[in-house]
Amino acid sequence: EVQLQESGPGLVKPSQSLSLTCSVTGYSITSNYWGWIRKFPGNKMEWMGYISYSGSTSYNPSLKSRISITRDTSKNQFFLQLNSVTTEDTATYYCARLTTRVYYFDYWGQGVMVTVSS
Amino acid sequence: QITLTQQAESLWVSPGEKVSITCRASQSLLYTDGKHYLSWYQQRPGQTTKALIYHASIRTDGVPTRFIGSGSGTEFTLSIEDVQPEDIALYYCLQTLKKPYTFGAGTKLELK
Repeated sequence: EVQLQESGPGLVKPSQSLSLTCSVTGYSITSNYWGWIRKFPGNKMEWMGYISYSGSTSYNPSLKSRISITRDTSKNQFFLQLNSVTTEDTATYYCARLTTRVYYFDYWGQGVMVTVSS
Repeated sequence: QITLTQQAESLWVSPGEKVSITCRASQSLLYTDGKHYLSWYQQRPGQTTKALIYHASIRTDGVPTRFIGSGSGTEFTLSIEDVQPEDIALYYCLQTLKKPYTFGAGTKLELK
């Protein structure tokens, strides 16, 4: 069974970087696409970006140059880094698999809540 | 970017009733392969997000047949027939036709 699990600090200071890890079991991240999605207080959802089976990336332009998604195939993990965070980046962050055949997110992690506060 | 509008923030239902959640896109979600790139998701507290429907009308594995996706072009509907207590959740539509992928604002299903 495919399982995803997010991990990382729950509190980040403004202007610092947010770094999260998604650990995947039951499936290799060298297939399909692996994305990050966040849910803001108030329930708005935003697709942040993904890393493909080949390691190429695609990002939401709204995040401009603040975002980076990388991976470690030996550990079957992929990572999110979001720089220069503000309180508006406070959200629950999810990792999910985007199945390339039909382009929907078929497996999701539980989500990790990150608060940006001094 | 494509905007998805879920007009109802909340819908109240009684067990056994039918409910419909609508999602309107700012442009057609039909691709040249004849498929619509619109999917529906369910979020329940304490559980992982569950994909219910893809390509507008195809149920994912294990989803009960009371969940029905329909629509085309820019108008889509998720219908739940014979609502069960476990269907009380937050529902989102998502388009993956064009990047950036975008979600609807979500519709919360609540018990009367």
